[in-house]
Amino acid sequence: GENVEQHPSTLSVQEGDSAVIKCTYSDSASNYFPWYKQELGKRPQLIIDIRSNVGEKKDQRIAVTLNKTAKHFSLHITETQPEDSAVYFCAALSNDYKLSFGAGTTVTVRA
Amino acid sequence: KAGVTQTPRYLIKTRGQQVTLSCSPISGHRSVSWYQQTPGQGLQFLFEYFSETQRNKGNFPGRFSGRQFSNSRSEMNVSTLELGDSALYLCASSPPTGSYEQYFGPGTRLTVT
Repeated sequence: GENVEQHPSTLSVQEGDSAVIKCTYSDSASNYFPWYKQELGKRPQLIIDIRSNVGEKKDQRIAVTLNKTAKHFSLHITETQPEDSAVYFCAALSNDYKLSFGAGTTVTVRA
Repeated sequence: KAGVTQTPRYLIKTRGQQVTLSCSPISGHRSVSWYQQTPGQGLQFLFEYFSETQRNKGNFPGRFSGRQFSNSRSEMNVSTLELGDSALYLCASSPPTGSYEQYFGPGTRLTVT
């Protein structure tokens, strides 16, 4: 089955700096890669996603890149703000509709 | 559109009992997936239903089961509860064919004592 690894597990950045989270996946048939943000006590919220036929996608301060050959994808947050503090999860959807998640990255933005 | 809803939000059960959790997807969504979230194991896939059929199942024991009704609402059942079943159970629904996004409900916090 699919195995998703996510690094780092914790990330502390100064407000205004950039944050980068990296994930690798094992199943080359996986074709959809979402990123979720989960604030304390709340549900995971989809913040951006990318399909396997696209290399990069951007939405305001958030961007995701995908390298299919290397089987890794990354989340980039620019100009971080205190409200970006949360746990971020990457995931990969295999062709049997199973969404496998990384272990999560706790991001803390220092004011 | 109303979001994904789950009931109950909190539940306390005793070891050996069974529990049923309910999930109502976003209107028009036909796929419902269930996940277990724990601090140690993260988000683990339980199963996924589409049009009342289970399309995939994660690596959980047979004590975990689910079903989906014709209106796309889904239930999951856990029998013979163990202390280790204490977790946040999340369901997520997906739009019709062509879109892979999953939208999560608020979860049911299950505590087994």
